[in-house]
Amino acid sequence: DTGVSQNPRHKITKRGQNVTFRCDPISEHNRLYWYRQTLGQGPEFLTYFQNEAQLEKSRLLSDRFSAERPKGSFSTLEIQRTEQGDSAMYLCASSTGTGRETQYFGPGTRLLVL
Amino acid sequence: GDSVTQMEGPVTLSEEAFLTINCTYTATGYPSLFWYVQYPGEGLQLLLKATKADDKGSNKGFEATYRKETTSFHLEKGSVQVSDSAVYFCARWGKSETSGSRLTFGEGTQLTVNP
Repeated sequence: DTGVSQNPRHKITKRGQNVTFRCDPISEHNRLYWYRQTLGQGPEFLTYFQNEAQLEKSRLLSDRFSAERPKGSFSTLEIQRTEQGDSAMYLCASSTGTGRETQYFGPGTRLLVL
Repeated sequence: GDSVTQMEGPVTLSEEAFLTINCTYTATGYPSLFWYVQYPGEGLQLLLKATKADDKGSNKGFEATYRKETTSFHLEKGSVQVSDSAVYFCARWGKSETSGSRLTFGEGTQLTVNP
């Protein structure tokens, strides 16, 4: 079990550029979650997948954000036309999808928009 | 909506001191409760959890009891170490119309333990 991995770990971009992050969950975990964490705050839910289906999206997920999990394994989170307010840590988590299960988090991708 | 409230930080203690970090949650549905820890530059690690009322979660000397009557899940440790310095997050997992299938986190409490 190699844990949840995320790439890149750090990303610096200019305002208006598009960025894409990748998350590889623990193998055989059916559920995959994305959260956003700003400095000094707890993580906030963005969206989650059950296998390849995106089942829920937060109001925080504006039209500039899109997430995919095409084969029910890894997931990507894309932000189009980045804004300075998008600067945050983006966390991915996975779980077995059986109900009250524990979510296991990756190390996160820290995004800085200049 | 569903929420989690943690005691304000930061908290600074001397090594071997007793630790309490307060956490209360909204009681919608029957949530599971968690404490996660985040070390500098890293993601969140599960510290302990409890899935129903009166359950006690424990790990690495930390404990928390799921109190339904007070809607609380306070984190305690009898003797902290310098290596416990980190940010601690209380979280609830619940499936309802308001929370969906997600974790809702508190604001986090920064703990610093001095030698």
